Amino acid sequence: DQQVKQNSPSLSVQEGRISILNCDYTNSMFDYFLWYKKYPAEGPTFLISISSIKDKNEDGRFTVFLNKSAKHLSLHIVPSQPGDSAVYFCAASSLNTGNQFYFGTGTSLTVIP
Amino acid sequence: EADIYQTPRYLVIGTGKKITLECSQTMGHDKMYWYQQDPGMELHLIHYSYGVNSTEKGDLSSESTVSRIRTEHFPLTLESARPSHTSQYLCASSERRGDGYTFGSGTRLTVV
Repeated sequence: DQQVKQNSPSLSVQEGRISILNCDYTNSMFDYFLWYKKYPAEGPTFLISISSIKDKNEDGRFTVFLNKSAKHLSLHIVPSQPGDSAVYFCAASSLNTGNQFYFGTGTSLTVIP
Repeated sequence: EADIYQTPRYLVIGTGKKITLECSQTMGHDKMYWYQQDPGMELHLIHYSYGVNSTEKGDLSSESTVSRIRTEHFPLTLESARPSHTSQYLCASSERRGDGYTFGSGTRLTVV
């Protein structure tokens, strides 16, 4: 049973606009969340993280929002750039899963110049 | 600059062959992982290790085996490859949960 879900397989956004990628989880014990970015034929690279003690974390153009009551997190990219075109995975873990993270199925973002 | 290395990047092999996918990291991380990923699907954990001589199976049943004789090296072996093994295999390592994983570039395996 999938514990982390990304229900939008793909998203297209115009350059300069905001990209919003969504992620839902089912395990209320999850307390640490990551976003990864993946280009074709490469491994995922870490983008941004958030702990459950926060509801927002910002790093440059990237902001992650966490809504614990809804078990939902989102990644905002502003402004979107063509180089942001990639597959984005969210991942979640809890203390009792140790270092193991559970991943969503990914959302393929295309930023149109 | 990659601190975790996977070889080969691409491999096409015939059914029934034995193969070993290599993974090495230079960060001294105790924890290492193998994930399998098909397009449009989530990353599935197939094996992990929390240190030398420690290996465990992950959530996804796999016919592969792993070994961890040295901290830096975590190879994955398929004794008899089948077309159903065609996938991308990603190796990762970590030290602390807060740091997340560092992934290798992956091995794209095709079994014909």
